Amino acid sequence: QKEVEQDPGPLSVPEGAIVSLNCTYSNSAFQYFMWYRQYSRKGPELLMYTYSSGNKEDGRFTAQVDKSSKYISLFIRDSQPSDSATYLCAVGASGTYKYIFGTGTRLKVLA
Amino acid sequence: IAGITQAPTSQILAAGRRMTLRCTQDMRHNAMYWYRQDLGLGLRLIHYSNTAGTTGKGEVPDGYSVSRANTDDFPLTLASAVPSQTSVYFCASSVGGATDTQYFGPGTRLTVL
Repeated sequence: QKEVEQDPGPLSVPEGAIVSLNCTYSNSAFQYFMWYRQYSRKGPELLMYTYSSGNKEDGRFTAQVDKSSKYISLFIRDSQPSDSATYLCAVGASGTYKYIFGTGTRLKVLA
Repeated sequence: IAGITQAPTSQILAAGRRMTLRCTQDMRHNAMYWYRQDLGLGLRLIHYSNTAGTTGKGEVPDGYSVSRANTDDFPLTLASAVPSQTSVYFCASSVGGATDTQYFGPGTRLTVL
């Protein structure tokens, strides 16, 4: 079993839709949870960073962590064509220098 | 310009040749990383460095070596390239460990024939 599982998509939605992107992880030692956005032929850029369970909101983006289920989510409200990208989840643990990344979900928002 | 630069942007290389991918950051971050990204496999850590003078192995280190002579530079060397090393390579850095945000460079697209 992979340490982090993520549906690769692609996921196509109409402009204005609410998008839900999800990852599951296997190791309860993970305490830090990140979402990165990667445009085609570019490096990943950090979108959201959360610690432990709960929600974190930043504009149209909400990151949600449920440690009891080992499940993390990213919600995008009022999705825009500019949100079309690959979204990568990542997890980390204290005392390490390593993130574990999901394989990424490709999102396309149709105008 | 603050951030991470990588060179070259892309490269086609004959199998068996030696190649060094360059990575430089100007954020004075302690930790640096090399990842490869392959379709369906995501980002996989090759090597990392906690601080200048120290390096560590990641998930897929075989066939690659790194050095960290100073804070800013973290070159990745393929001693004898093989076609399975065809990939997109990303360098990243962070202030400290896994509790800190990793910032990524633009990537190097490498094709080994």
